Amino acid sequence: EPEVTQTPSHQVTQMGQEVILRCVPISNHLYFYWYRQILGQKVEFLVSFYNNEISEKSEIFDDQFSVERPDGSNFTLKIRSTKLEDSAMYFCASGGTGMVQPQHFGDGTRLSIL
Amino acid sequence: DAKTTQPPSMDCAEGRAANLPCNHSTISGNEYVYWYRQIHSQGPQYIIHGLKNNETNEMASLIITEDRKSSTLILPHATLRDTAVYYCIVRVGGGTSYGKLTFGQGTILTVHP
Repeated sequence: EPEVTQTPSHQVTQMGQEVILRCVPISNHLYFYWYRQILGQKVEFLVSFYNNEISEKSEIFDDQFSVERPDGSNFTLKIRSTKLEDSAMYFCASGGTGMVQPQHFGDGTRLSIL
Repeated sequence: DAKTTQPPSMDCAEGRAANLPCNHSTISGNEYVYWYRQIHSQGPQYIIHGLKNNETNEMASLIITEDRKSSTLILPHATLRDTAVYYCIVRVGGGTSYGKLTFGQGTILTVHP
């Protein structure tokens, strides 16, 4: 069964450094998302991406964050200058050809900021 | 998107049916009910979704009341591997929401031997 894959599974980074989290969505999906989950808290929506542009973003997704789909298969989340509070699990999801189709999630990248 | 209410925790014996309730009394006509679960810190796993008819797939059944104000997820024969946090999410189909999912605290289901 097709699945969403994320790399790396764990990323440790010094505060202030840039980090790029990578995702390979399911191949025929058109809708792409990033979510995060701080330890012990709810899963929170960050951003949705469709037709090569951001379609919606949350208040969390400020100027330090950016997303890109550089080559038609990968979907990346960049955090420009990481802060301690960026430590969390980051989940990528993709959805099928209609907005009512379910989103499928990857197993996440654990980001630890030192 | 409409708000949902779920019990914080439930227990179930292995091999028995697990029935997880969800209230969504403010659901509107174009909103779907989705169920996901999260095992440990893995990514949320899609289970099932529906609009107004009951749905069944290889994982579970979804029963939606006629007035659509509540629903029940049924795992027919729970196993220890079904221990997880279960999320009931109401989401607009179409429009400008672009399908983001708004997660609540969910129900922690513990399946006992």
